Amino acid sequence: EIVMTQTPLSLSVTPGQPASISCKSSQSLLHSDGKSYLYWYLQKPGQSPQLLIYEVSNRFSGVPDRFSGSGSGTDFTLKISRVEAEDVGLYYCMQSIQLPRGFGGGTKVEIK
Amino acid sequence: QVQLVQSGAEVKKPGASVKVSCKASGYTFINYYMHWVRQAPGQGLEWMGIINPSGGSTTYAQKFQGRLTLSRVPSTSTVYMELSGLRSEDTAVYYCARDIQVVPAVGCPDYWGQGTLVTVSS
Repeated sequence: EIVMTQTPLSLSVTPGQPASISCKSSQSLLHSDGKSYLYWYLQKPGQSPQLLIYEVSNRFSGVPDRFSGSGSGTDFTLKISRVEAEDVGLYYCMQSIQLPRGFGGGTKVEIK
Repeated sequence: QVQLVQSGAEVKKPGASVKVSCKASGYTFINYYMHWVRQAPGQGLEWMGIINPSGGSTTYAQKFQGRLTLSRVPSTSTVYMELSGLRSEDTAVYYCARDIQVVPAVGCPDYWGQGTLVTVSS
């Protein structure tokens, strides 16, 4: 089973400033097809999770371009170029290279 | 538009079973796997298992083997999650979530249900 580790646990950000979240996997998420299979989700307070990024760097439909993903193999990063108030919540990474699927422990983003 | 509508909150006694439904609409039901994920109060997301709505094949997380049963009724575009032998630690919000890939590929969820709170208490 692949273990996903996120850092930091929490982040307090001034609106308009950037933010970055790291996700590391215990095994490589690099497939033989050359793609890495890592997803990012945001769970806003009181809501269901919503998909932000799929396959490392592809923004899901409707996701603002201030969100970007990068990485390969075992190390991945989600960046928010300019944090807005609506970006508060819990961020999770998830791997899709093998079953069972697994989530990172989550990173709480709040506004200063 | 894709919609996943789950059944309402449940309160169960320890040792009982619970069955949560997830009705899908807005897409071809049999073409996408369905995941189940839970979230205990104040905790993170936990992946439970997945079902192929076409053939009914399932894969469960080791933790839930023997207690979890996922099933589906294609004619009503509904997937079910049944968890038996409930204990207080199973108190959580349970989510169904459609996979992003078209069968037979399996990825991660894109669309999520609204969640169903299951409370286990004597």
